Amino acid sequence: GIQVEQSPPDLILQEGANSTLRCNFSDSVNNLQWFHQNPWGQLINLFYIPSGTKQNGRLSATTVATERYSLLYISSSQTTDSGVYFCAGPPGNAGNMLTFGGGTRLMVKP
Amino acid sequence: EAGVAQSPRYKIIEKRQSVAFWCNPISGHATLYWYQQILGQGPKLLIQFQNNGVVDDSQLPKDRFSAERLKGVDSTLKIQPAKLEDSAVYLCASSLVLSYNEQFFGPGTRLTVL
Repeated sequence: GIQVEQSPPDLILQEGANSTLRCNFSDSVNNLQWFHQNPWGQLINLFYIPSGTKQNGRLSATTVATERYSLLYISSSQTTDSGVYFCAGPPGNAGNMLTFGGGTRLMVKP
Repeated sequence: EAGVAQSPRYKIIEKRQSVAFWCNPISGHATLYWYQQILGQGPKLLIQFQNNGVVDDSQLPKDRFSAERLKGVDSTLKIQPAKLEDSAVYLCASSLVLSYNEQFFGPGTRLTVL
């Protein structure tokens, strides 16, 4: 099956700093999503981004489907950004079955 | 618009007991998914429904896990008998249609097997 690798696995930032999270796929994907899992375990949808670039406030994401990677940018980080960030996508011919990466654990210090 | 609902939020049982989880998807969403998330890992798909039919259950341990979506709306996931390694968060998700569509997740049920 498809392999999803996220980097870095852990990240500690000072409040106000910027960061870039990366997601690499072993095969083509058709339905890439980024999620933030808060400390209570809820998965919050950040972006649905099969290709191109999207922005939502301090967050933006870029997917380059032909090169099998996606990036999540966090600018001016806040303590509420802490948690685990996951990317996920299904293989090109596997409908909507999401395969998740191992996540990036982010801690933003005040 | 209400999100995906799950209950209970927490459950503690002893090994060899049985347990059931309930999920109600977003209204109008035809596709429903159950995922298992073990501590420190990303969620892993267990089963996928389209309306009341199973699309894929290849990752479901069928000797002890079962799931149904009889009327094509809400769904139940059952474990019988539970093992220690079943301790995890069980997440339900839904999407409008089957193919290449954004999924939305419920708050999850945290299961502890003692």
